[in-house]
Amino acid sequence: EPEVTQTPSHQVTQMGQEVILRCVPISNHLYFYWYRQILGQKVEFLVSFYNNEISEKSEIFDDQFSVERPDGSNFTLKIRSTKLEDSAMYFCASTGGLLVVTNTGELFFGEGSRLTVL
Amino acid sequence: RKEVEQDPGPFNVPEGATVAFNCTYSNSASQSFFWYRQDCRKEPKLLMSVYSSGNEDGRFTAQLNRASQYISLLIRDSKLSDSATYLCVVNKPGGSQGNLIFGKGTKLSVKP
Repeated sequence: EPEVTQTPSHQVTQMGQEVILRCVPISNHLYFYWYRQILGQKVEFLVSFYNNEISEKSEIFDDQFSVERPDGSNFTLKIRSTKLEDSAMYFCASTGGLLVVTNTGELFFGEGSRLTVL
Repeated sequence: RKEVEQDPGPFNVPEGATVAFNCTYSNSASQSFFWYRQDCRKEPKLLMSVYSSGNEDGRFTAQLNRASQYISLLIRDSKLSDSATYLCVVNKPGGSQGNLIFGKGTKLSVKP
């Protein structure tokens, strides 16, 4: 069964350092997302990406965050200068195959990258 | 008022019990409704979409009341493997495809 894969599974970093989280979405999907979940809190939307550009970003997704699809398979989230409050699980998700461009609500999530900022 | 509100639980039930989860959402313009399941420290996975007429998938039944902005999930004959956190999810009105608003979840623990 095709799946979204994320690396690293866990990253520990010092405050102020740059972090890049990597994702390989399901191969025929066209819509890509990053969500985050602070421990004990709800899953929150960060950004959606389609056709090589950001479709929408939330208030959380400030200038410290950026996304990129550097090649045909990877989708990355970069945090330029991490803060303590960036500590969370970051989920990549994808949806929308070539023939199904409707919002069924089924986002396929990766297993997440746990970021710990010290 | 929270965008999506759920009873946090936990709900501790014996195997075979019937359990019901409730959810309310604040924005009447939401058009799409879902229940996701999240196991401990894992990613959310779609359990079922929720349709206006109500829908059933095996032991799971979902209901939607747009007038009350209320969504429910009923699990019949609960199994040990149903133990998880159940997330009520709605689309963000006016948002891009895939911009979903998640509730904080209701934790279910099914005991032998």
